[in-house]
Amino acid sequence: KAGVTQTPRYLIKTRGQQVTLSCSPISGHRSVSWYQQTPGQGLQFLFEYFSETQRNKGNFPGRFSGRQFSNSRSEMNVSTLELGDSALYLCAPRMQETQYFGPGTRLLVL
Amino acid sequence: LAKTTQPISMDSYEGQEVNITCSHNNIATNDYITWYQQFPSQGPRFIIQGYKTKVTNEVASLFIPADRKSSTLSLPRVSLSDTAVYYCLVGDIGGFQKLVFGTGTRLLVSP
Repeated sequence: KAGVTQTPRYLIKTRGQQVTLSCSPISGHRSVSWYQQTPGQGLQFLFEYFSETQRNKGNFPGRFSGRQFSNSRSEMNVSTLELGDSALYLCAPRMQETQYFGPGTRLLVL
Repeated sequence: LAKTTQPISMDSYEGQEVNITCSHNNIATNDYITWYQQFPSQGPRFIIQGYKTKVTNEVASLFIPADRKSSTLSLPRVSLSDTAVYYCLVGDIGGFQKLVFGTGTRLLVSP
């Protein structure tokens, strides 16, 4: 849905580095979820934030973290990058009963 | 969490109607059914959402039988640009339940 932006759109990092991805929401939403998509594992839920608090978490290691700010903008962070972290990372703000996905950030770890 | 089962792939031709069925036998009372379309390297795009009976919008229809254990996404008169992966999701989006994506259905529309 128009209004969900993610930055950067593309990113190349090396193993061991850290990365922060940003998601700017549709105005008025209070909840945002993050997903990782890879060819082998498909779309996998990372975590969800509601009113700046994490209220749900997927089965990912502690290297993956996130936060939501008071203006509803959200970030996710991956520390100590591994080759397997190469993926499309998607944020999905929720408006009423529906999640709308951003265009994603394509991360390549070398 | 309600698990969904969809066909892995489907083929169609331009101008035809395509129906993609999703099974969700353990759907819960508060669960909605949502369908997304995804093109390569893009985020999933919301198509349609429903709770029961039939829902129609400008791009698709969603048919949900009374027992809600399955749903069918209907795409009228598909075009080449409808070639994509279609995901069926079942979940209480308004609650605290994380959504689980299945493998999706890869639709190929040929001339």
